[in-house]
Amino acid sequence: GENVEQHPSTLSVQEGDSAVIKCTYSDSASNYFPWYKQELGKRPQLIIDIRSNVGEKKDQRIAVTLNKTAKHFSLHITETQPEDSAVYFCAASKETSGSRLTFGEGTQLTVNP
Amino acid sequence: DGGITQSPKYLFRKEGQNVTLSCEQNLNHDAMYWYRQDPGQGLRLIYYSQIVNDFQKGDIAEGYSVSREKKESFPLTVTSAQKNPTAFYLCASSIRLGLAGVSSYNEQFFGPGTRLTVL
Repeated sequence: GENVEQHPSTLSVQEGDSAVIKCTYSDSASNYFPWYKQELGKRPQLIIDIRSNVGEKKDQRIAVTLNKTAKHFSLHITETQPEDSAVYFCAASKETSGSRLTFGEGTQLTVNP
Repeated sequence: DGGITQSPKYLFRKEGQNVTLSCEQNLNHDAMYWYRQDPGQGLRLIYYSQIVNDFQKGDIAEGYSVSREKKESFPLTVTSAQKNPTAFYLCASSIRLGLAGVSSYNEQFFGPGTRLTVL
């Protein structure tokens, strides 16, 4: 089955700096890659996703890049703010074979004011 | 967020007891899922269901059971066979998109979670 590895497990940045979180996946047939943000004590919420027919997607300060050949994808947050502090999870799935998401183990991002 | 609910928010269980966690959605979503979250780990899939009266085991199904008698409901029972049940349990749902005969699934929406503690 699919295996997703996520790095780093913790990341601390100064407000205004950029943050990058990286994930690798094992199944070359995976074609859907969402990123979720989970604030302390709350439910995960989708912040951005990418499908394998594109290499990059951007939404304001958040961007995701995908390298299908190397089987890795990354989350980029620019101009970080204290409210970006949370745990971020990447995930991968093969949409057409059902809806199973395999999650990475999460990155605790701390943005210091 | 209000479209998928879980109850109770906190649940305490004595060893040897079965407990059932509720998950309800009014989003008309086809698929529903149960995940377990432990500190420092990602979300691990317990069971999922793509249609009513059908469900599949996830990666850690041992000691758990589910039913899907209604589209909007997907309860999870934690049985006494689950040796380490203390965790945060998250339910999710997603809509199934039919594209030219191929089924695909969109974003998963999560409930607020149930924190289960074994006493």
